[in-house]
Amino acid sequence: GAGVSQTPSNKVTEKGKYVELRCDPISGHTALYWYRQSLGQGPEFLIYFQGTGAADDSGLPNDRFFAVRPEGSVSTLKIQRTERGDSAVYLCASSLGPPTDTQYFGPGTRLTVL
Amino acid sequence: AQSVTQPDIHITVSEGASLELRCNYSYGATPYLFWYVQSPGQGLQLLLKYFSGDTLVQGIKGFEAEFKRSQSSFNLRKPSVHWSDAAEYFCAVGARADDMRFGAGTRLTVKP
Repeated sequence: GAGVSQTPSNKVTEKGKYVELRCDPISGHTALYWYRQSLGQGPEFLIYFQGTGAADDSGLPNDRFFAVRPEGSVSTLKIQRTERGDSAVYLCASSLGPPTDTQYFGPGTRLTVL
Repeated sequence: AQSVTQPDIHITVSEGASLELRCNYSYGATPYLFWYVQSPGQGLQLLLKYFSGDTLVQGIKGFEAEFKRSQSSFNLRKPSVHWSDAAEYFCAVGARADDMRFGAGTRLTVKP
């Protein structure tokens, strides 16, 4: 079956602009995660959805970052007033159950803020 | 606070040679431990995970890892490396979404 997909694969934007990053999880996976991976680092947790609700958003760095999952499937990560420091690869993962279940990762969206 | 250290940023091995990637962790309770592999343009793929029980864990692609509580380590091993194993490897520890911690990764290069 299809894996986790993320669009776009690359996004270049200017400082101050608004961006949306999309994640399509594996069908039937109720849990969805967003991570941020900076150059030379491992993924850093941002937010976790169980169904439609954000079960844990403690990793979001500030209020410019927001994510939704209105129908419990596709999720969108939204970044307002982008800053150069937001440049990173944003990874999405999904799993059947709790975070310790196997998480299946998408290929990521590389965001570059000029 | 929980943390993961992968001491080796980059390792080069010859094809057919054995491999060991090191991972040390700090965690307040019995950890859940994971190894992931990331190939260029691909998402992270779970190689293996340890929750409890036998401390030697078998994974996919011929990899195994051993949990050593006394050393706070979870090293990844493979007896004979293939060229296709060249990738970035990440160790992770945690029990909840908000406490999952990934190491900085070890990049593996395989010489022919």
